[in-house]
Amino acid sequence: QKEVEQDPGPLSVPEGAIVSLNCTYSNSAFQYFMWYRQYSRKGPELLMYTYSSGNKEDGRFTAQVDKSSKYISLFIRDSQPSDSATYLCAMSADNFNKFYFGSGTKLNVKP
Amino acid sequence: DTEVTQTPKHLVMGMTNKKSLKCEQHMGHRAMYWYKQKAKKPPELMFVYSYEKLSINESVPSRFSPECPNSSLLNLHLHALQPEDSALYLCASSQVGLAGGEQFFGPGTRLTVL
Repeated sequence: QKEVEQDPGPLSVPEGAIVSLNCTYSNSAFQYFMWYRQYSRKGPELLMYTYSSGNKEDGRFTAQVDKSSKYISLFIRDSQPSDSATYLCAMSADNFNKFYFGSGTKLNVKP
Repeated sequence: DTEVTQTPKHLVMGMTNKKSLKCEQHMGHRAMYWYKQKAKKPPELMFVYSYEKLSINESVPSRFSPECPNSSLLNLHLHALQPEDSALYLCASSQVGLAGGEQFFGPGTRLTVL
C-alpha cells in the first residue's frame, strides 16, 4: 500500500465550476499537509499548507484536513482555464524531513 | 522572498561527461533536497541535507554526488550518467524538524543524457 493515494484523473470541468481534489493516506504520524500546482515542464508551486486538522482558505482555494479519516481535500472555486495543471498533495510527519507525495491529479478547465 | 533558484535550466550531456547542477535559497532554511521527476510522475526524493549534513540518501546510484557547501547552496555532481537518468531535477528547501512545514521548490533543471 502506498503512503499517499491520489486519483490521477484527468479531471475535466467547465470554467467557473467548483473543483474538488482529494488524497488519502495511511500514516497517522503525518502532521504537515501541502498542495502543489505544477504546470507542464515547470517546478511545483506551493499553493496551500496546513498543519494538523482543520480548514484553511486563501482566495479561491480551500484546503481541508480530516485526520480522523486520513483524508485531505483541495477545493477550487470559480475555476479558470489558468488552473489547468497537475495538482500534487504532499505530507510529512514531525521530526522528519521526508515528504510523501501523491501521484498527482491532472486538471483541465475548459473555457 | 520564497524563491529557490536553480541553474542551469536545461542541460544536455553525454554518458562520459561530468557536470553539476546548482541550487540556491535565501529563506534561512536549513533543510535542502534533491528530487528527480520523470514525466507524469510525482517528484522522487533523492537526497536531504539538514544543517549542511547529508541526512537522507534514498539509495541513489553513486554517479549522483550531492554537496552542500553552505546553508544557502546545494550542488548535485553528475558523472557517467545513463540515458534513463534524463529527467527534471528539482531542488527544494524547508525548515528542519518540528517546524518542518512548508517545502518550496525551484523551477528545476531539465537534464537530457545522450
